[in-house]
Amino acid sequence: DTAVSQTPKYLVTQMGNDKSIKCEQNLGHDTMYWYKQDSKKFLKIMFSYNNKELIINETVPNRFSPKSPDKAHLNLHINSLELGDSAVYFCASSAQRSLAALTDTQYFGPGTRLTVL
Amino acid sequence: AQTVTQSQPEMSVQEAETVTLSCTYDTSESDYYLFWYKQPPSRQMILVIRQEAYKQQNATENRFSVNFQKAAKSFSLKISDSQLGDAAMYFCAYRAQGAQKLVFGQGTRLTINP
Repeated sequence: DTAVSQTPKYLVTQMGNDKSIKCEQNLGHDTMYWYKQDSKKFLKIMFSYNNKELIINETVPNRFSPKSPDKAHLNLHINSLELGDSAVYFCASSAQRSLAALTDTQYFGPGTRLTVL
Repeated sequence: AQTVTQSQPEMSVQEAETVTLSCTYDTSESDYYLFWYKQPPSRQMILVIRQEAYKQQNATENRFSVNFQKAAKSFSLKISDSQLGDAAMYFCAYRAQGAQKLVFGQGTRLTINP
């Protein structure tokens, strides 16, 4: 059983196009994330959603728009793709343990390699 | 802002030997969590081990153990009896208690020599 899944795994597209990456988790977690891994392998948080509510937006260009239709899904839509958007995008999820907003270990999806030509 | 530093871009070890990967971090928080993730060529990010800062005892998971030095803000990963399947990028990560995001180090590429 796949815990955190992403589609597609590979995405090759032309500059200026609009594309979406989908993420689903079947762990019953409340919180989902998008991370970007650049060509130097550096991983950085982009967004975090808790129960469909945006919690973190780390100075990401507004061409990137996350959408959470329910707490098991967090999709990433990217408008007007640029060369610099080429990267691996990881979705992750974690449980929220208590009212103190403690969050548990984050479990990652397999990543989506986006190549913008 | 919290930062995580992995000073070893690459490491190599002979199969069956022991290797230690270094990680230091900077934070003003007293309660936080530390993690080591492994990223093999398949690209999947796999949790190796986690440590709660309030615990003095070092975490251990089979052949993987950590040396957590809170005062020194150091969190190294020791892999014993290295196996070919351990070859991967290893990322150290930090999360403040109550925070949502993980802050990652730059990664260390580990090669296992047969």
